[in-house]
Amino acid sequence: DAGVIQSPRHEVTEMGQEVTLRCKPISGHDYLFWYRQTMMRGLELLIYFNNNVPIDDSGMPEDRFSAKMPNASFSTLKIQPSEPRDSAVYFCASSSRGWKGGYTFGSGTRLTVV
Amino acid sequence: GENVEQHPSTLSVQEGDSAVIKCTYSDSASNYFPWYKQELGKRPQLIIDIRSNVGEKKDQRIAVTLNKTAKHFSLHITETQPEDSAVYFCAASKKTGGFKTIFGAGTRLFVKA
Repeated sequence: DAGVIQSPRHEVTEMGQEVTLRCKPISGHDYLFWYRQTMMRGLELLIYFNNNVPIDDSGMPEDRFSAKMPNASFSTLKIQPSEPRDSAVYFCASSSRGWKGGYTFGSGTRLTVV
Repeated sequence: GENVEQHPSTLSVQEGDSAVIKCTYSDSASNYFPWYKQELGKRPQLIIDIRSNVGEKKDQRIAVTLNKTAKHFSLHITETQPEDSAVYFCAASKKTGGFKTIFGAGTRLFVKA
C-alpha cells in the first residue's frame, strides 16, 4: 500500500491566490482528516469526513477554507483567497477505525503564502 | 474546554537512559490514547496506543501507562538511541456523535550519543 498520498509537497503562492491541496487516502479507510500544523498552534483538526460526508468542520478557520470529498479515494482542501497567516504544513490522514484507532498521515503539504 | 497538556516540551537524555513524557486530559469521556512520533520534516507516525480498559501496554522499548482516575497517561522509552530523537505527540480521543481527538502540544526529545 502506498499510504496516504498528498500533493503537492510544497506550494509557494502569492497572497490572494487560490490554493488547492489534494489527498488520496488509503484504500478501504472510511475516515479522512485534514490537519494544519504550525509551531504556534501545533496540530489542529480542520475537518473530517466519514464515508465521504463531512462530519465536523468546526476547525475550519473561516469561509476562505473549504474541503470536499467527491469519492472515497480523493479529497481537496481549498483556500481562497490565501493569506500569509495560512502558511503551515497541511496534513491529510486516514483511518479505518475512527476514534478507536490511530491515523495514517500523509507526507504533508508545506504551504508558504508570500 | 477539552484539553490535553503534555510535559515536558523539551527533553534531553543521554543515549541508553530512559525518557518519560507525561500527558493529562480534561475530558473524562476520552477512552483511546495514541502516541505519535514525528521526525524532523516528516509525517507523524503512530507508535503505540492504549485504550481505557487497559492500564499498561508495552512494545519492545516503549511502553504507555494510563491512570483514568487521575486522567494521566505517559510514554516511557527505555534504552534510548539517537534515532529516538523526534517530537512525540500524545492524543486523547472519544466518541461524541462523530468523535473528537485532541493532540498535545508535543515533546521534542533529544538523545545524545
